[in-house]
Amino acid sequence: NAGVTQTPKFRVLKTGQSMTLLCAQDMNHEYMYWYRQDPGMGLRLIHYSVGEGTTAKGEVPDGYNVSRLKKQNFLLGLESAAPSQTSVYFCASRWGQANYGYTFGSGTRLTVV
Amino acid sequence: AQSVTQPDIHITVSEGASLELRCNYSYGATPYLFWYVQSPGQGLQLLLKYFSGDTLVQGIKGFEAEFKRSQSSFNLRKPSVHWSDAAEYFCAVPPGGSQGNLIFGKGTKLSVKP
Repeated sequence: NAGVTQTPKFRVLKTGQSMTLLCAQDMNHEYMYWYRQDPGMGLRLIHYSVGEGTTAKGEVPDGYNVSRLKKQNFLLGLESAAPSQTSVYFCASRWGQANYGYTFGSGTRLTVV
Repeated sequence: AQSVTQPDIHITVSEGASLELRCNYSYGATPYLFWYVQSPGQGLQLLLKYFSGDTLVQGIKGFEAEFKRSQSSFNLRKPSVHWSDAAEYFCAVPPGGSQGNLIFGKGTKLSVKP
């Protein structure tokens, strides 16, 4: 049982390049989330999804887009990367409203130069 | 808006000593409260959660937390710290609504001296 898998684990981008981060979960969870983690800032919510085909903005959505075409996958896209997007990105999922316990992926460390 | 504050950025304790990490929340009703731990280079792992009932909650790895409504606190404790407990600890609370996300504190980094 893999849980939540994030790919890639590391990436270096040049300013202006685009990329997609993939989050895959095999637990049939309805809810999925993308957070970014920066030193001294904790985790901040970028976008989230409450089910297949749905997405919504979180606290810091600017510069990012997401898609949830399949229930098990939640993609985070950077259309034109900026140095301010250098961060560690975490995906999380959970089953439903009654159980708030997240399962986290191991993170993607992204550097934009 | 709901929020959570972890007043201590970094704490150092000796191995075998007791530990208390502070968490204060701002919430209109009885909150759900969580503690997560993040080991270096890893994702976050749920330590324990409080939904209702007994205000002393037991978690994994020998941790416990006590919900105190009068103090708006949910402090994490461990009676005897092990070197493997060195990590960053996050308190979290849901903001309410149907989206089900969590708001995280900024974290407390725990260092353990031999």
